[in-house]
Amino acid sequence: EAQVTQNPRYLITVTGKKLTVTCSQNMNHEYMSWYRQDPGLGLRQIYYSMNVEVTDKGDVPEGYKVSRKEKRNFPLILESPSPNQTSLYFCASRPPGLAAYEQYFGPGTRLTVT
Amino acid sequence: GDSVTQMEGPVTLSEEAFLTINCTYTATGYPSLFWYVQYPGEGLQLLLKATKADDKGSNKGFEATYRKETTSFHLEKGSVQVSDSAVYFCALLNTGGFKTIFGAGTRLFVKA
Repeated sequence: EAQVTQNPRYLITVTGKKLTVTCSQNMNHEYMSWYRQDPGLGLRQIYYSMNVEVTDKGDVPEGYKVSRKEKRNFPLILESPSPNQTSLYFCASRPPGLAAYEQYFGPGTRLTVT
Repeated sequence: GDSVTQMEGPVTLSEEAFLTINCTYTATGYPSLFWYVQYPGEGLQLLLKATKADDKGSNKGFEATYRKETTSFHLEKGSVQVSDSAVYFCALLNTGGFKTIFGAGTRLFVKA
């Protein structure tokens, strides 16, 4: 089954404790992206990757890091989480190019930073 | 920069009522436009899309027309069902194809 998976689905952590949220897709998509969803703000893009070893900042990259060492995986790293990073996070993937391909979203990771 | 504005919710309708959710956008070039739907506890999934002016996207009884003159992409459905209760997001894919901008989302409740 074609899908985007994220782990963990739920995470409660404390300020400053490094964490990684994994994202994996099995559709051989080149483009992957991370979003955060907050009430009243919709989804905001954190980082995106056009291909292996190619990443770029989205609209809200502060406090986050990413890496893209293989096509299928795109982990999101919070080196020193803070309470304002409490949010619902989504990973997504799609084929590249100018055609209007839809994005395929993972199920989401709900992160709480205390 | 590019942006998407959609009507605030929640929108509460009775079953079989007509639905309109307004969406307007600001963008340079020729963006593609999307409506995504999010059911409780799930990720977003594509509902419909339109890639150029005057295109009409449609799916599951929903439709939206890409209006460049009014920079709009309003979502409509002639007769909603309880199962349509969800959050709906309007979005644009920029001309470069690397950034998707989402609206704030509109929550729809449909009563039986």
